[in-house]
Amino acid sequence: DAGVIQSPRHEVTEMGQEVTLRCKPISGHDYLFWYRQTMMRGLELLIYFNNNVPIDDSGMPEDRFSAKMPNASFSTLKIQPSEPRDSAVYFCASSFYDEQFFGPGTRLTVL
Amino acid sequence: DQQVKQNSPSLSVQEGRISILNCDYTNSMFDYFLWYKKYPAEGPTFLISISSIKDKNEDGRFTVFLNKSAKHLSLHIVPSQPGDSAVYFCAASASGGTSYGKLTFGQGTILTVHP
Repeated sequence: DAGVIQSPRHEVTEMGQEVTLRCKPISGHDYLFWYRQTMMRGLELLIYFNNNVPIDDSGMPEDRFSAKMPNASFSTLKIQPSEPRDSAVYFCASSFYDEQFFGPGTRLTVL
Repeated sequence: DQQVKQNSPSLSVQEGRISILNCDYTNSMFDYFLWYKKYPAEGPTFLISISSIKDKNEDGRFTVFLNKSAKHLSLHIVPSQPGDSAVYFCAASASGGTSYGKLTFGQGTILTVHP
């Protein structure tokens, strides 16, 4: 199995632009999680899905952030408009039970 | 509100000695605890876990201890090796209700093992 796949690995954009991060979970996993890692706050859970349905989005910082999971093999996290304080590493993870498997992350820089 | 806390941002240890990483939690509903290791430019990877019905779990050089009354867990690495140098995250979950599947992470501890 290829593991959790995230794209792009790096994204540099200008303030105000729309950013879309993509994730392909491990086949057979029914949970999908989006996290953000910053020096100040560590690993924060933004939103998670179970069987493609959003379960808890209380970690989504603002309305500028949205996430979708149209099918079991694909999810997106969108930031519109982006701001410099959104600069961070964004991880996607999937699980079947308690152990979550993480992707390599997307390093986002908003100038 | 930080429900899982790792109060030591960093730890430096000599190769061959014991590394002890600590984690405290505040939510009494947490009943499953995990440690993840993260290398630069990679995602966190699962290391070891423990259920609240146990107070110790061992896997090779790694042992996790759980003290439920103190709401404290620790990860022991013996002997420490330079390849263990990484960021270690403590995480916790509550098996019941709508929180099932959700992990709450601490802020991480950077472990450096010197040759």
